[in-house]
Amino acid sequence: DAGVTQSPTHLIKTRGQQVTLRCSPKSGHDTVSWYQQALGQGPQFIFQYYEEEERQRGNFPDRFSGHQFPNYSSELNVNALLLGDSALYLCASSLGSGVEFFGPGTRLTVL
Amino acid sequence: DQQVKQNSPSLSVQEGRISILNCDYTNSMFDYFLWYKKYPAEGPTFLISISSIKDKNEDGRFTVFLNKSAKHLSLHIVPSQPGDSAVYFCAASAGNQFYFGTGTSLTVIP
Repeated sequence: DAGVTQSPTHLIKTRGQQVTLRCSPKSGHDTVSWYQQALGQGPQFIFQYYEEEERQRGNFPDRFSGHQFPNYSSELNVNALLLGDSALYLCASSLGSGVEFFGPGTRLTVL
Repeated sequence: DQQVKQNSPSLSVQEGRISILNCDYTNSMFDYFLWYKKYPAEGPTFLISISSIKDKNEDGRFTVFLNKSAKHLSLHIVPSQPGDSAVYFCAASAGNQFYFGTGTSLTVIP
């Protein structure tokens, strides 16, 4: 049973560019959440997708957007990258509002 | 505004002894609490959870205690093993959003 997978593992971008991160949820899960984890901090909730709709959103600007596909996989898009967007981006999946299972993350570096 | 706080960035414990990790929260609407363990280069792994209707939940060597009046929860690991060395995050939710603390790095010394 495959767990949560994310791609790519690492990514380097420059300021002003756009990035797309991808996530496949654990088998049987229908809900995907995205988190940003800065160095030395805990994961910060970006948003959650359920039934292809954004169900909940954290305190992140509109530059952060997402999408959920019919197969429950999800994308996180960040536009107009800033240096401060450098972080580990974690995807978590769950069945409804249950326990979230995390992927290994994508390390984004903005130069 | 940090709604979930872990005030001890690090903790060192001898193998075989008890590890106690603490977490405080400010939002009285939180009704579900979890602990995650994170190794370097991996995502957090779910460890144990507790609902606000309980004050204790046990799973093997791991026990979580919840004190709602103090808005405090703790994770006890007995006995501690070197493989328990990791960063531990507590998290809380009141619906669809989870709020995480900043983590406590546990080192279990053989």
